[in-house]
Amino acid sequence: DAGVIQSPRHEVTEMGQEVTLRCKPISGHNSLFWYRQTMMRGLELLIYFNNNVPIDDSGMPEDRFSAKMPNASFSTLKIQPSEPRDSAVYFCASSPHLGQPQHFGDGTRLSIL
Amino acid sequence: AQSVTQLDSQVPVFEEAPVELRCNYSSSVSVYLFWYVQYPNQGLQLLLKYLSGSTLVKGINGFEAEFNKSQTSFHLRKPSVHISDTAEYFCAVSDVGGSNYKLTFGKGTLLTVNP
Repeated sequence: DAGVIQSPRHEVTEMGQEVTLRCKPISGHNSLFWYRQTMMRGLELLIYFNNNVPIDDSGMPEDRFSAKMPNASFSTLKIQPSEPRDSAVYFCASSPHLGQPQHFGDGTRLSIL
Repeated sequence: AQSVTQLDSQVPVFEEAPVELRCNYSSSVSVYLFWYVQYPNQGLQLLLKYLSGSTLVKGINGFEAEFNKSQTSFHLRKPSVHISDTAEYFCAVSDVGGSNYKLTFGKGTLLTVNP
């Protein structure tokens, strides 16, 4: 069984550039989550989708962040323009239904110079 | 609002020793509880979960945890650890019903198993 697949695994870019992170959830999972992990703040939920619809984006830090889920098998998290303080590991997770345990991808390590 | 406190940021132990990683939570409603493990450069992997029923929950890799409602705790234990158990461990909580999709994570406990 393929797990949650994230790309790229690593991204290094200069501040001001647009960054797009990608996620393919586990087939059949209805819920998709984007998290950010930093040393200072730990794991933070950014946004959550259910059946491709954004349900709660209250964790998205600023308007520079946006997320889409055009279909059940693909989601993107975009940062434009990027800033050094956006440097973190970004995780995507999916779960079969509400309340079911979430399965995490291996993350994208983002460095903004 | 929920919160999770992992009382120890780092726990060093010797191989084959027992270990307990502590987790306390606060919530105004009933909760689901989880422990996840994160190996270096990897995502989080579910170790075990408490949804209902028996308060002693067994998970993968020989870990178990006990839900104590009166003490609002969900401590993780293993009777004998291996070098390969070295990783960061996260306790997480979500509300039963309502917005129960939302996991609130603790800050993590780094378990280091030394030979």
